[in-house]
Amino acid sequence: DAGVTQSPTHLIKTRGQQVTLRCSPKSGHDTVSWYQQALGQGPQFIFQYYEEEERQRGNFPDRFSGHQFPNYSSELNVNALLLGDSALYLCASSFFSGESYEQYFGPGTRLTVT
Amino acid sequence: QQPVQSPQAVILREGEDAVINCSSSKALYSVHWYRQKHGEAPVFLMILLKGGEQKGHEKISASFNEKKQQSSLYLTASQLSYSGTYFCGTGSGGYQKVTFGIGTKLQVIP
Repeated sequence: DAGVTQSPTHLIKTRGQQVTLRCSPKSGHDTVSWYQQALGQGPQFIFQYYEEEERQRGNFPDRFSGHQFPNYSSELNVNALLLGDSALYLCASSFFSGESYEQYFGPGTRLTVT
Repeated sequence: QQPVQSPQAVILREGEDAVINCSSSKALYSVHWYRQKHGEAPVFLMILLKGGEQKGHEKISASFNEKKQQSSLYLTASQLSYSGTYFCGTGSGGYQKVTFGIGTKLQVIP
């Protein structure tokens, strides 16, 4: 059983460009959350998708948008890239049902904005 | 609001025990613990839900005190493989937005 997968692994973009990151959740998981992790910091919640809709959003500008597909996979889009967007972007898939709750991170996409 | 972890860093010798604390100013529904090694993604250790006080995972266990809005991670008989940064994440609702602390750097030396 494959865990959470993300692509690409690394990405270098220029300021002002747009980027799309992809995530496939662990089998059986229906919720995908995206996090941004700057060097030396904990992951910061961007948003969460469930049933193809954005369910919750953290303190990130509208330049950050996402999508979830019927197969639960997800994309994170970032427009008008800034140097400060350079970070590790983590996708986490999760399953929650009453007393059962698990969340696993993917390997991440390292985005560098120059 | 970000949970507060303590200590910020700790060095252990193999076989020693450690406790990492996590506290929040908000009422908690869940506490998540992850370990992250340099250059890798965080690895799931355990999640404690409201109503559950303690959970174990091999030699790593955790407790959750809802009234004090605190959780502690217990590492017993530490191994070299335990080295990494431990993150506490807190959830305040039934949905799964998790807010992470800045982490505790743990180094186990021979």
